[in-house]
Amino acid sequence: EAGVAQSPRYKIIEKRQSVAFWCNPISGHATLYWYQQILGQGPKLLIQFQNNGVVDDSQLPKDRFSAERLKGVDSTLKIQPAKLEDSAVYLCASSLHAPGQGTQYFGPGTRLLVL
Amino acid sequence: KNQVEQSPQSLIILEGKNCTLQCNYTVSPFSNLRWYKQDTGRGPVSLTIMTFSENTKSNGRYTATLDADTKQSSLHITASQLSDSASYICVVTPSYNQGGKLIFGQGTELSVKP
Repeated sequence: EAGVAQSPRYKIIEKRQSVAFWCNPISGHATLYWYQQILGQGPKLLIQFQNNGVVDDSQLPKDRFSAERLKGVDSTLKIQPAKLEDSAVYLCASSLHAPGQGTQYFGPGTRLLVL
Repeated sequence: KNQVEQSPQSLIILEGKNCTLQCNYTVSPFSNLRWYKQDTGRGPVSLTIMTFSENTKSNGRYTATLDADTKQSSLHITASQLSDSASYICVVTPSYNQGGKLIFGQGTELSVKP
């Protein structure tokens, strides 16, 4: 079974530039999550979708971050404009069950460095 | 405020030795507690999951314990291998009526040396 796919794996940009990350969840998984993981910390939830609807985006900095899940499958996370403090690993995860239930399967992450 | 605290922050052990990682949580009530392993440059992978009524769960050389009275969990690694070098993250799922959002600890960075 293929896992959660993410791209790109690495990205270096200058502050105030824009960047987008892509995630392809495990086939059939209804719930998709985006996390931000700063070095030395546990992942922090940014947004979670069930199918193509947003379940929780309370911790998403909406002035600069946006996310969508096209047709309830793939998802993109965008940062516009980026700040230095956005340097982190952005993890995508998916699960078969409703938010908070079942195991979340994580992708390899996209490592972002903002200079 | 729901919190999950892990200790130690980092740990270095020799190959073949055992070690125990600790997790203290204040999340209550909760549905389950998981331990994840995160290799460098990869996403976390689930090792064990325990509901609030379970005391122990094993996965090969990994054994997790849970004491719901003291709100503590531990992950014991037996006969460590070089491939055990990773970050180990304790994750608690609040009961569904609290939104079901996972509460992550900050992780313990384990380094196994030859």
